[in-house]
Amino acid sequence: QQQVKQSPQSLIVQKGGISIINCAYENTAFDYFPWYQQFPGKGPALLIAIRPDVSEKKEGRFTISFNKSAKQFSLHIMDSQPGDSATYFCAASSFTGFQKLVFGTGTRLLVSP
Amino acid sequence: GAGVSQSPRYKVAKRGQDVALRCDPISGHVSLFWYQQALGQGPEFLTYFQNEAQLDKSGLPSDRFFAERPEGSVSTLKIQRTQQEDSAVYLCASSLGAENEKLFFGSGTQLSVL
Repeated sequence: QQQVKQSPQSLIVQKGGISIINCAYENTAFDYFPWYQQFPGKGPALLIAIRPDVSEKKEGRFTISFNKSAKQFSLHIMDSQPGDSATYFCAASSFTGFQKLVFGTGTRLLVSP
Repeated sequence: GAGVSQSPRYKVAKRGQDVALRCDPISGHVSLFWYQQALGQGPEFLTYFQNEAQLDKSGLPSDRFFAERPEGSVSTLKIQRTQQEDSAVYLCASSLGAENEKLFFGSGTQLSVL
């Protein structure tokens, strides 16, 4: 059972444009929503995360928008750069003695020069 | 400082062979996770250790999969009688403590079963 649905599967954005990746979740017990960035041959690295008590979190060019009633959250990458080309995963968890992350299926982002 | 280290980086096994994958977490990190990442998919949880105690192994696909962390630091994931469907990247992650949300992932071991 896929608990976190991610779209689109792939995305091509021109340099300087805005990249938007969307995720939807089912489990209302989830209370932690991170985004991970993965380059080929590397493990995922935490990019930014949000808790449901706020609707938006911004760190540099990266922003998470969170809609609790719709059970959706999204990642916005402003002024996208070729170096942002990577696979992005949304994830969700609830604390059950530890953070057991459930990942989306990933979005492959290509930023064209 | 050093991150999470995994070895080997690549492993090719013939179907039916046993394999052992090693994870060296960040020093002092109490929590250790194993995830399985199939090609083109997101990581899927396998098992969780807090120090040497394996507190959750609900994600292990079958009894052919076994993980241990005997001294609360290095961990080994063992797969017995490998099957083709075991081919994947096996990722190890660690965090400072159970309540600490930030996971640090290693680069993984890519297992190919022929």
